[in-house]
Amino acid sequence: QKEVEQNSGPLSVPEGAIASLNCTYSDRGSQSFFWYRQYSGKSPELIMSIYSNGDKEDGRFTAQLNKASQYVSLLIRDSQPSDSATYLCAVMNRDDKIIFGKGTRLHILP
Amino acid sequence: ETGVTQTPRHLVMGMTNKKSLKCEQHLGHNAMYWYKQSAKKPLELMFVYSLEERVENNSVPSRFSPECPNSSHLFLHLHTLQPEDSALYLCASSQDGGENTIYFGEGSWLTVV
Repeated sequence: QKEVEQNSGPLSVPEGAIASLNCTYSDRGSQSFFWYRQYSGKSPELIMSIYSNGDKEDGRFTAQLNKASQYVSLLIRDSQPSDSATYLCAVMNRDDKIIFGKGTRLHILP
Repeated sequence: ETGVTQTPRHLVMGMTNKKSLKCEQHLGHNAMYWYKQSAKKPLELMFVYSLEERVENNSVPSRFSPECPNSSHLFLHLHTLQPEDSALYLCASSQDGGENTIYFGEGSWLTVV
C-alpha cells in the first residue's frame, strides 16, 4: 500500500469555481500534514499545514483533515489561472519522516 | 534573500566530470535534505542530515556523495554520473522538534550528457 496517495490528474476546473484536491495516507499515527504548490520548472512552496481534525482556512485556501478516514484535502475557492500547478500532499508519519505524494496537476480553465 | 539558496541553478556535465551542488539555508534550521525530482516522477528523498549527521541514505548510488560541514551548508558531490541522473535536485531544510515543515530551495537542474 502506497503511503501517500493522490490522483495524478489533470484536474480541470473552470475559473471562479472551487477546486478540490484529495489525499489519503496509510500511517494512522501520522500527525502533521502539508500541502505544497509546484509550478512547472520550479520548486515546491508550502501553502498550508494542518495538524488537527477539521478545517483550516487561509485566504482562498482551506485544508481539511479527517484522521479517522486518513484523508486530507485542499479546497481552492474562486480558482484563478495562476492556481494552475501541481499540488503535492505531504504527511509526517509516526517515525517523523515526511512522505510526499506524487502530486495532482490542476488546470484552471479561463 | 530566500531562505534556502542553491547553486548552480543549471548544470550540464559529462559522464566523466566531477561537480558539486551547493545549498545554504538562512532559516536557523537543524536538518537539511537532498531530494531528486525526475520528469513525471514523485519527489525522491536522497539524504537527510540532522545536526550535521547523516541520518538517512535512501539507497542512493555512491556516485552521489553528500557533505554537511555545518548546519547551514549542504553539498552534493557528483562524479561519473549517468544520463538517467539528469533531474531537478532540490535542497530543503526543516527544524526537527519544531514545526517540522520542509522548506525547499529553488533547485538545481542537472543534465548529464
